[in-house]
Amino acid sequence: AQSVTQPDIHITVSEGASLELRCNYSYGATPYLFWYVQSPGQGLQLLLKYFSGDTLVQGIKGFEAEFKRSQSSFNLRKPSVHWSDAAEYFCAVGVGNAGNMLTFGGGTRLMVKP
Amino acid sequence: DTGVSQNPRHKITKRGQNVTFRCDPISEHNRLYWYRQTLGQGPEFLTYFQNEAQLEKSRLLSDRFSAERPKGSFSTLEIQRTEQGDSAMYLCASSLNSRDTQYFGPGTRLTVL
Repeated sequence: AQSVTQPDIHITVSEGASLELRCNYSYGATPYLFWYVQSPGQGLQLLLKYFSGDTLVQGIKGFEAEFKRSQSSFNLRKPSVHWSDAAEYFCAVGVGNAGNMLTFGGGTRLMVKP
Repeated sequence: DTGVSQNPRHKITKRGQNVTFRCDPISEHNRLYWYRQTLGQGPEFLTYFQNEAQLEKSRLLSDRFSAERPKGSFSTLEIQRTEQGDSAMYLCASSLNSRDTQYFGPGTRLTVL
């Protein structure tokens, strides 16, 4: 069965610092991979997704993620964090036909220090 | 495009009661998904529809849960004989087709007393 692990439950970074959120997945086939962000009182918003092709994926709000098959990882990065990035971030793997049933990790809560 | 809407936003009920939630997807989106999110966890897939056909159901969806999408537009999720363990946020998402982005609604928070 597929699974997604986000090892860091909480991360605190200073505004302007770089960010990397870790995501490891377990899935027997070629994965479809996603990063979503959830702000308080708001729905989940897609940051980026990987289906195939270039393993470095660019997303919205200055985020990027790199798919590393050998490490079963899909880490999210941002070179300079803004206070508005404080939120909960979820990594997900899409399974089933066309990868449309999402299995989410437990999430990483990001706090940004001024 | 007004996004995915869900009603009600909050529901408090007593154990043993039935509840029904509604999801209105983005217009013309063929796929509609239901997920459940408990506190401190990521969302868990429950079921999804392609138009009015329910194509997949998770093992999480016990016999007390039923979902419909009668005309291929809005969907309802009903929980019968609610239990305290049903307390969670119920999320709905829609997408145009199978590999398209899933757009999530704000969720319905259920509290079972």
